[in-house]
Parts: sequence; C-alpha cells; structure tokens
Amino acid sequence: QQQVKQSPQSLIVQKGGISIINCAYENTAFDYFPWYQQFPGKGPALLIAIRPDVSEKKEGRFTISFNKSAKQFSLHIMDSQPGDSATYFCAASKDFGNEKLTFGTGTRLTIIP
Amino acid sequence: GAVVSQHPSWVICKSGTSVKIECRSLDFQATTMFWYRQFPKQSLMLMATSNEGSKATYEQGVEKDKFLINHASLTLSTLTVTSAHPEDSSFYICSAYGKVYNTEAFFGQGTRLTVV
Repeated sequence: QQQVKQSPQSLIVQKGGISIINCAYENTAFDYFPWYQQFPGKGPALLIAIRPDVSEKKEGRFTISFNKSAKQFSLHIMDSQPGDSATYFCAASKDFGNEKLTFGTGTRLTIIP
Repeated sequence: GAVVSQHPSWVICKSGTSVKIECRSLDFQATTMFWYRQFPKQSLMLMATSNEGSKATYEQGVEKDKFLINHASLTLSTLTVTSAHPEDSSFYICSAYGKVYNTEAFFGQGTRLTVV
C-alpha cells in the first residue's frame, strides 16, 4: 500500500494557538517522512522531516511527532501566525528519501487574528 | 537550501500545440528529477521519475507519448506536453534530488499551464 492519509482537510486556528495536522501511512517500508508548506501558485517547500529512529523532531515553532507502532506522524505548529496560512502536505518515501514521495491529500490552514 | 528553477512560471497555449517546461537545478547536480501535476485544491500527483541519461519512468495512467520527459544533463530536465488539450491545463511542478543534499528533494516554483 502506498497511501498516506492526512487530516483534517482544512483547519482554522487563532493566532498564537497550536495547529495540529495528522498523517497515517500503511507501508512499513517508508522510512522518511517530510512535511511541506505550499502557498498559492508556488511549489512546495520543505518544512521539516523525520526518520523513524526518533519519535520527535523540533525546528523552531515546528515539531514532528512520530509513532512508529501506530504508523502515524503529526505536525505541530506552535504560536501559529497569519503568515503560516498555507496548505500543508505530509509525505513519505522509502530509502531515506532516495525514492519518490507519496503525498497526503493536504490541509488548508488558516490562521485568524 | 538548494535552488530549483522552473520556467516558465505560466504559459497559455492553443489547443493542439506543444509546450515545453524546463526544470533546472542551479547549484547542485540532480541525479533524479520528478515531475508532478497538481489540480486546484488537490495534492501533488507524481507523473514520472527521470534519471540523468536514461529514460523516464512513468506512473501508471500517465501517457508517455503525451508527456515527454528529457533529462539530458545533471542540471536540466524538460517536460513537453504534446498536442495539448484543455484537460491538460494544470499546475506542473518539478523536484530535483541530488546526493549532495542527501535525502532532501527541492521543488521548483511550478508552471501554470492553460490550454485554450
């Protein structure tokens, strides 16, 4: 199975709040899990990525939590700002990113004042 | 991070004509390039994977005779949409992977193709 399921489809968070987006995968051969941010009319940009040998990775306001046994991973955006309003995609690949990415369906995040 | 430049950013063409989209890795050698297609408010759908000097590998359902991919050098890959039709209108995005940067694939800014 190559599917990566992402939820929610859309999310509205107040400025300063925590945005949480979840993903689940089925293929246990996946070993690289990146998150991408995409603004309208632009290509995706890598936010943060994790490998399954760690359960959490933090970079600034962005944190990935990874649960290998549940085959789930999530993105947490702390202190959410209006500039974070974008579409977020989780993805997964094999061979530590050397192979093609399988993308989730995307989450449209809106941060309101 | 590395820079991947995609050109043009947008293009309008008449039905039946062909359009070429370029994807360049500006500061690294891309051993592998990926081409995606994205419809409005949808996810990225992988069309094909190309390795420098070899034929592209197309995903199931993608017409290789319609979407011609050439990866002639380690810094350039091209996607040609042949005999374009309105249903080919979409956002096309490339990404480039180079071993120098290990696991990260960098994305171009995308090309908006409109076929009229």
